[in-house]
Parts: sequence; structure tokens; C-alpha cells
Amino acid sequence: ETGVTQTPRHLVMGMTNKKSLKCEQHLGHNAMYWYKQSAKKPLELMFVYNFKEQTENNSVPSRFSPECPNSSHLFLHLHTLQPEDSALYLCASSQEGLAGGVETQYFGPGTRLLVL
Amino acid sequence: AQSVSQHNHHVILSEAASLELGCNYSYGGTVNLFWYVQYPGQHLQLLLKYFSGDPLVKGIKGFEAEFIKSKFSFNLRKPSVQWSDTAEYFCAVNGGSQGNLIFGKGTKLSVKP
Repeated sequence: ETGVTQTPRHLVMGMTNKKSLKCEQHLGHNAMYWYKQSAKKPLELMFVYNFKEQTENNSVPSRFSPECPNSSHLFLHLHTLQPEDSALYLCASSQEGLAGGVETQYFGPGTRLLVL
Repeated sequence: AQSVSQHNHHVILSEAASLELGCNYSYGGTVNLFWYVQYPGQHLQLLLKYFSGDPLVKGIKGFEAEFIKSKFSFNLRKPSVQWSDTAEYFCAVNGGSQGNLIFGKGTKLSVKP
């Protein structure tokens, strides 16, 4: 257990469905991240929320929509996905300083998504 | 743009063999370096990290890594692997933008008992 939980752990959805992935961190961190892990590809950073403000989106398609209602919760809303979006979606959190600086990211177990 | 290269896709070793996994990065400025491990069916866990100071970093479970700035490398080592070290290992670099980790593709390690 790293203090970062994700639900659901597995999700199968059709291309016309709308679903949401949830991440919760119990570490008191102020930054949260969504990553995509595909087979034989590096982890791809999708979104960064720092102090609840989105600071990075790395040109992710609009069919992925993040929401960060507070510093402990992060959602990834999914709609009209494509089969190539099938992957493991990982959430992470860290404590970032006001003056910048890097801290360790702690990862959740991921949601295994299959788009049919 | 920053990038991270892990040279080996899959490494197979027998127990008690020595391990070295390569990691090279491309970024000219100050970097922070990480190795993460993902055991089968488990989440990514931090193995060790380098921010500054002694370039030889000790991590958990007997792992260590050496930051060689002139070679842009941060290779992971363990003198004697165990079957329980079977996992996928990811090198990651942060340079420049706050919080943005760039990961390598990962190296899968299989240790034969």
C-alpha cells in the first residue's frame, strides 16, 4: 500500500460509453498526476494537478477529461474512447514545494481499461 | 526534449548473478533521477532516487545506482539477485518542469531459481 488508491481496478467499456476513473491519496500531498501505461511504451504523463490547478495536459485528446475537486481526489472522465486507448491508467501523488523542486511520486495500483 | 533510454528490454539471470541495468537520459541541465520497480501484479514502487550529493545511491533491497554526469547515465546495480527480484524496472528523469517525470520503456528482469 502506497497511500494512493484507484477504483475501479478493471474496466471494460464500449466506444459509446461514459465512465470515470477515481483516484484518492491519503498522504496529504498537494500534487496529483494521471499516467497512461501501454505495452512496450514508456509511461506517458497525461495530466498534472498542482495545488488543485491543472498545470500540464501534454496534448491529451479531449475524450479524456480530468477533474480535481480537492487535493486528495482526482478523476479521469472517459467518453467515446477508441480501442487504442486500452491501457493501464496510473494515478500518482507527490508533495510539491511552492518554490518548485521535485519530490518523489507515489503511485496507485492502476485501472486496467479495455475499450471494445 | 527530454528522453530516457533503457538499453535492455528483457534480462534473464540466474539467482546470485550480478545485475546491471542501463539507463541513459538526454537533458543538459540539472536532473533528478529515479528507479522504480513494478513487481508482477503490483503497483510502481520507488527503488531509489538521486537529487544531489553522493552520486552512488543506495536503495531498498540491496539495489544501488550510480549517477555519472559525463555519461548522462544512472545505471542500476545489484551484486547478487534473488528470484524475488523478478519484476519490471523503470528509470525516470525529471529535469526542468516541476513534477514531470519522463520514464524509460522499462526493463523486464526474470531471475531463474
